[in-house]
This record gives sequence, structure tokens and C-alpha cells, in this order.
Amino acid sequence: QQQVKQSPQSLIVQKGGISIINCAYENTAFDYFPWYQQFPGKGPALLIAIRPDVSEKKEGRFTISFNKSAKQFSLHIMDSQPGDSATYFCAASTGFASGSARQLTFGSGTQLTVLP
Amino acid sequence: ETGVTQSPTHLIKTRGQQVTLRCSSQSGHNTVSWYQQALGQGPQFIFQYYREEENGRGNFPPRFSGLQFPNYSSELNVNALELDDSALYLCASSPGRGKAFFGQGTRLTVV
Repeated sequence: QQQVKQSPQSLIVQKGGISIINCAYENTAFDYFPWYQQFPGKGPALLIAIRPDVSEKKEGRFTISFNKSAKQFSLHIMDSQPGDSATYFCAASTGFASGSARQLTFGSGTQLTVLP
Repeated sequence: ETGVTQSPTHLIKTRGQQVTLRCSSQSGHNTVSWYQQALGQGPQFIFQYYREEENGRGNFPPRFSGLQFPNYSSELNVNALELDDSALYLCASSPGRGKAFFGQGTRLTVV
């Protein structure tokens, strides 16, 4: 019930292309869905996040699409750049609506490589 | 930078020893969480502290323990180290509204 399933495990995209990473969840109590970017030897950095009451959120080249009925959400990276090469993690948590931070349940990660 | 600092950055310990990892939270954040990230995997939740009280715990044995201090800094203690405890240990601080900001982690190697 607490799992977040992420795919693909790895992704290779040409510079300028669109990178798409997908996640699915089971726990309908999740009410906060962030994406994190992690470079080797560094901690995860918050990239963008969405609540289940909206279907899409865009920040710069990064867009989250959210499908509440299917319990799926995805990250789209437009105009992918070599500097975007990193590992991306989706995550989910409960308690956002009540203002109390709860544990993050992470997906298994997607290693993105953007070729120059 | 997130303002969350962890020390040390790297550590090598022998099986059976004890280790203490430290985390300084971002200013104004009263919630701190610890995660274990094995190589090639996503972070796994260990426990969370809110205003010096444990506020949730993941599926980790009691030899993993923690503290949060009045200034909201935190420690993770692991007793009786096992080889499988080798991982990147991440501290994350939150202002209480879902967003978690991670430190750079402590790489623990148990030999």
C-alpha cells in the first residue's frame, strides 16, 4: 500500500528531446507528490511538486501531469539538456493538507542521460 | 544549497561498532527526517522528529535511534553495525508543510 512504482529504470534522450518518467501509487491517502533530482554524491534536490487537486503543474522546462483516477503521475522534461543528466525520483506523502509533514515514500529512481 | 548540513561526509566503520551521524536543519524548520539510501535505490524512511519527539518510524530495527535537539539539529545513531548498513544516510528538514529539503548525506561504509 505504501509503494510508489517508477519507470523506466533508465532513459537516454537526445539533447532537445522530451524526457518522460512515470510513477504509480496505491495509497489514496497520499496528498503530496514531489519530484527530486539527484546528482552523484549529492542529496536529492526538490524539483517540482503537485497536489492531487490539480492535473498539471509547470515550472520552466519541468511539468508534472497527474491522473488521480488512474493513480499515476509523470514528470516531463522539455528541451532536455546534458546538464539534466541525473537520477530522478518521484515520491509521495500524506498529511500535506493538515500542515503536518509526513514521511516521503520514494520510487526506485530513473537514471536520465541526455546526449549532446 | 538547502541549508541542511550533515557531518561527517564519509565514514568507515567496522562491523559491530556504533556510529553517530549529525544534521543541522535549515533555519526555521522544526521537523527533521532521516533516510537510508542504498546504492542504486531510492531513499528509505528511517524516522522523523518533530519538536524533539519521534513522529513516525519506518521499517528499521531499534538499533537505529535518533535525537532532535532544541535548536532542531539532529543525530542518527546506529548500534551493532552490519555490512548491510553501508549506505548514504540523508537528513531532510521541513517547515511542516510537506516540502523536505535534503542535506548532502553521509556515506557510511561498514567493513
